[in-house]
Amino acid sequence: GDSVTQTEGQVTVSESKSLIINCTYSATSIGYPNLFWYVRYPGEGLQLLLKVITAGQKGSSRGFEATYNKEATSFHLQKASVQESDSAVYYCALSVATGGNNKLTFGQGTVLSVIP
Amino acid sequence: AQTIHQWPVAEIKAVGSPLSLGCTIKGKSSPNLYWYWQATGGTLQQLFYSITVGQVESVVQLNLSASRPKDDQFILSTEKLLLSHSGFYLCAWSWDWGAAEQFFGPGTRLTVL
Repeated sequence: GDSVTQTEGQVTVSESKSLIINCTYSATSIGYPNLFWYVRYPGEGLQLLLKVITAGQKGSSRGFEATYNKEATSFHLQKASVQESDSAVYYCALSVATGGNNKLTFGQGTVLSVIP
Repeated sequence: AQTIHQWPVAEIKAVGSPLSLGCTIKGKSSPNLYWYWQATGGTLQQLFYSITVGQVESVVQLNLSASRPKDDQFILSTEKLLLSHSGFYLCAWSWDWGAAEQFFGPGTRLTVL
């Protein structure tokens, strides 16, 4: 089946420093999956941060970027300068629409703590 | 604008007791609906999906069932809870089954003792 791997369970970064959260995926379905980063801020629900549905393209939102690398099967999340308000749990996910279902497969999540 | 509401916010239940969790979507007719579950320390996984009223498909067997009695309502239930059912339950919707993005509700925290 499909799978998503986030190698860091927890990341601590000082404010204004750069960030990278690693994500690799494996998709067994025919064709290329859609790739997503979801975020859950403290006390809030899960929300979409960014998505890329075309291999080779880059998505961006709120200063975060991620590039769909089909050769490396990666979708790493990066930000040049983090802020304390970026502290949250980040989930990498893929989806493939088949047979009436658009199933999201999530990584285990990365807890980001930004130190002021 | 579309809104998604889940109830209850949290539940503490005994092993062997019944369970019913609900989800309502407003502002979108005929959405695709989904149930996801995250065990403590685990990953989010899809449990069920529904394309239309009265039609629900199971993705993972966890001794749970789901129903869609109305276009805007999705219910997750079981007659006998297990300890392993503890976790965080999320309802989600999408514009249609081919739409890439899913929109999530606030979730229900279930603790089974």
